[in-house]
Amino acid sequence: AQTVTQSQPEMSVQEAETVTLSCTYDTSENNYYLFWYKQPPSRQMILVIRQEAYKQQNATENRFSVNFQKAAKSFSLKISDSQLGDTAMYFCAFMKLLYSGGGADGLTFGKGTHLIIQP
Amino acid sequence: DSGVTQTPKHLITATGQRVTLRCSPRSGDLSVYWYQQSLDQGLQFLIQYYNGEERAKGNILERFSAQQFPDLHSELNLSSLELGDSALYFCASSEGDYRGRGTDTQYFGPGTRLTVL
Repeated sequence: AQTVTQSQPEMSVQEAETVTLSCTYDTSENNYYLFWYKQPPSRQMILVIRQEAYKQQNATENRFSVNFQKAAKSFSLKISDSQLGDTAMYFCAFMKLLYSGGGADGLTFGKGTHLIIQP
Repeated sequence: DSGVTQTPKHLITATGQRVTLRCSPRSGDLSVYWYQQSLDQGLQFLIQYYNGEERAKGNILERFSAQQFPDLHSELNLSSLELGDSALYFCASSEGDYRGRGTDTQYFGPGTRLTVL
């Protein structure tokens, strides 16, 4: 079974600063996807970014980028030029791929990091 | 808006009762997933369906069941409800089922908040 650990329960930064959220995971699988989802106060789960484990290049989406270290099983999210609207819970999630040899599973989530952007 | 719809938005019921939560996936998506979010357990995967067939089970209780219909909408049935079943229940959908036939990214609906009194 996979586990996902987010060691920062809460973080607070000033608007326009850069912030990095940490995530580590434990798996014996070689083929998998990793995701960051955002959950604002509305409670909607919003996809932020996705990384395929077989890709060496780190994924980027506008102000959001990841630092994926497969050997270290680390997957951090960097938010540049942070905005008030970035205030939310951020969840790191792991998804195993069926053709890696195991069964199909849903997403395994970390416990989340509550990010607060201060004006 | 993710394109995934869930009804109802809120549900308040009593212990021992049975409720049904409904989910319509994004147009073209064949896979539906159900998740439970509670303060105690965090976000937990319950069950997955692909094109009408059950494909994976997570931490789903025996009192809970689900199905996916020919039009691809899905229902999650919760019975003999207990106080601890109070939670936010999410449905998510994706094109494929991890077998490489389509994009596997899951898009979430707005959730149904269940309160058991």
